[in-house]
Amino acid sequence: GEDVEQSLFLSVREGDSSVINCTYTDSSSTYLYWYKQEPGAGLQLLTYIFSNMDMKQDQRLTVLLNKKDKHLSLRIADTQTGDSAIYFCAEPFPFGGNTGKLIFGQGTTLQVKP
Amino acid sequence: DAGVTQSPTHLIKTRGQQVTLRCSPKSGHDTVSWYQQALGQGPQFIFQYYEEEERQRGNFPDRFSGHQFPNYSSELNVNALLLGDSALYLCASSPPGGAITEAFFGQGTRLTVV
Repeated sequence: GEDVEQSLFLSVREGDSSVINCTYTDSSSTYLYWYKQEPGAGLQLLTYIFSNMDMKQDQRLTVLLNKKDKHLSLRIADTQTGDSAIYFCAEPFPFGGNTGKLIFGQGTTLQVKP
Repeated sequence: DAGVTQSPTHLIKTRGQQVTLRCSPKSGHDTVSWYQQALGQGPQFIFQYYEEEERQRGNFPDRFSGHQFPNYSSELNVNALLLGDSALYLCASSPPGGAITEAFFGQGTRLTVV
């Protein structure tokens, strides 16, 4: 497909794990990114993964990459109410670097219930 | 360091009018990108400026134009406003080399066209 695709909404209980999924467009993308957007705020780069990796862990965040299926996921362990936000996956264009423009998915709204 | 600063934060314009949005990049950054984020959507790339030149452009009509000044700040101009131009306009700056992983976003300007 030509679009970066994400499911639109996820609701979890505080303390549970959250998994946000994304399908990106081009298998030659060498960097893939996850951004967080809180109400009234700009976009914050949460983490990213380089395409020669299958997994990257950063504290409570785990990124999994399946290049064959062009599938990216973000797992948040021990989800807190402060994690409530919109999460965007993104890939760069040109696809093969870490410069240029970003192509974003529609965003997944994560709702964390106490 | 104030990070990326955008002004104004909100504004309301009438159809057919013209608008100018402003962005001051993070200190040390020389590249500025502009994105349009419609409600419920992911950001869409408008264009990128480097060395006072438009380096890359997304799929936006000529009504959208920009400028970069010698101090690296940038303006986004939109002529003949349409209701569909209502959106959050985000500016991102990146350092020499343009690495996306080193880029920062501003909080955005919320434009409402009535």
